[in-house]
Amino acid sequence: QQPVQSPQAVILREGEDAVINCSSSKALYSVHWYRQKHGEAPVFLMILLKGGEQKGHEKISASFNEKKQQSSLYLTASQLSYSGTYFCGTTTTMDSNYQLIWGAGTKLIIKP
Amino acid sequence: DGGITQSPKYLFRKEGQNVTLSCEQNLNHDAMYWYRQDPGQGLRLIYYSQIVNDFQKGDIAEGYSVSREKKESFPLTVTSAQKNPTAFYLCASTLTGTGGSGYTFGSGTRLTVV
Repeated sequence: QQPVQSPQAVILREGEDAVINCSSSKALYSVHWYRQKHGEAPVFLMILLKGGEQKGHEKISASFNEKKQQSSLYLTASQLSYSGTYFCGTTTTMDSNYQLIWGAGTKLIIKP
Repeated sequence: DGGITQSPKYLFRKEGQNVTLSCEQNLNHDAMYWYRQDPGQGLRLIYYSQIVNDFQKGDIAEGYSVSREKKESFPLTVTSAQKNPTAFYLCASTLTGTGGSGYTFGSGTRLTVV
């Protein structure tokens, strides 16, 4: 089953924070996060593995709650360059990295 | 620099024609993928390959064919059987057997039926 992303879309002012969620009905091994700008290819942001630590940089980070089968992407003090559609991709086992199951995406619009 | 090269960037197909989209990577990745993306939509898997000379159908394989004769190359043919091929096609690759590594995408091919 496809993971569910929420919200579907969000509009923020530059400098505001955003949280994007990715939930699955199945137990997860890993969660990937990608950003796609309009007309371009998705770009890998980070991967979170079962039993691993929260990842990220100062302003873009993510968590993985294995019990809830949910991951959240945190964008702090958003910049105009953060605009785009964010996709999560999930795997259920260590051996299934070859086939991500993708969410439908969350569109993020940052206004000056 | 390593990466994935897709060509052409834009492609126009006439009704009844087969067209082939190229995808080449120099990342030494094992697995390669083809995705289709329609406007405002997510990624749908067409085909994937984990090793040379082997590939598997994805969710929307009908009307498409692939080959994997070399590790670096994974071309996609859109056949005349694909009735609505206008879309953005993305090729991706990743390492396998590591428990988890990110996908690298090519810049995409935009296919239009004329």
